Amino acid sequence: GENVEQHPSTLSVQEGDSAVIKCTYSDSASNYFPWYKQELGKRPQLIIDIRSNVGEKKDQRIAVTLNKTAKHFSLHITETQPEDSAVYFCAASGNGKLIFGQGTTLQVKP
Amino acid sequence: DTEVTQTPKHLVMGMTNKKSLKCEQHMGHRAMYWYKQKAKKPPELMFVYSYEKLSINESVPSRFSPECPNSSLLNLHLHALQPEDSALYLCASSQVRQGAAPLHFGNGTRLTVT
Repeated sequence: GENVEQHPSTLSVQEGDSAVIKCTYSDSASNYFPWYKQELGKRPQLIIDIRSNVGEKKDQRIAVTLNKTAKHFSLHITETQPEDSAVYFCAASGNGKLIFGQGTTLQVKP
Repeated sequence: DTEVTQTPKHLVMGMTNKKSLKCEQHMGHRAMYWYKQKAKKPPELMFVYSYEKLSINESVPSRFSPECPNSSLLNLHLHALQPEDSALYLCASSQVRQGAAPLHFGNGTRLTVT
């Protein structure tokens, strides 16, 4: 089945810097890759997603890139702000199931 | 403003109790899910309902019993739980079955088993 690995597990940046979180997946048939943000005590919320027929997608300060050949995808956050502090989960669809990575705790220091 | 509503927000129950978690969505989504989430871990899939039929049971113990009365409602019946079942239980919905469309999560029920 699908396996998703996510790195790093924790990331600390200064406000205004960029943050990059990387995920690799194992099932070459996976075709949908969402990213979820979960603030402390709150529900996971979709922040951006990408499908396998697209290499890159951007939404304001957030972008996701996908390399199907290498089977990895990344989340890029530019001009980070304290409110970006949260746990971020990547996911990949495999066999009709959404498989989550282990999460990255992002801390943005003011 | 959560489009998927879960009740109760918090639940404390003893190991001999029977309780139910409820979930409701009015987005016309035809797939609904139960996830279990432990602290600092990703959501862990328990059950998937597609068009009101149970399509995936991730080998969940029988002390958890799901029910989908209609396309908008999803219940999770709990009986004889163990302390290790304490977790955040998240309901989610999507337009089509998982893996093809975004999941919309509810705020969850924080369950404590004593």
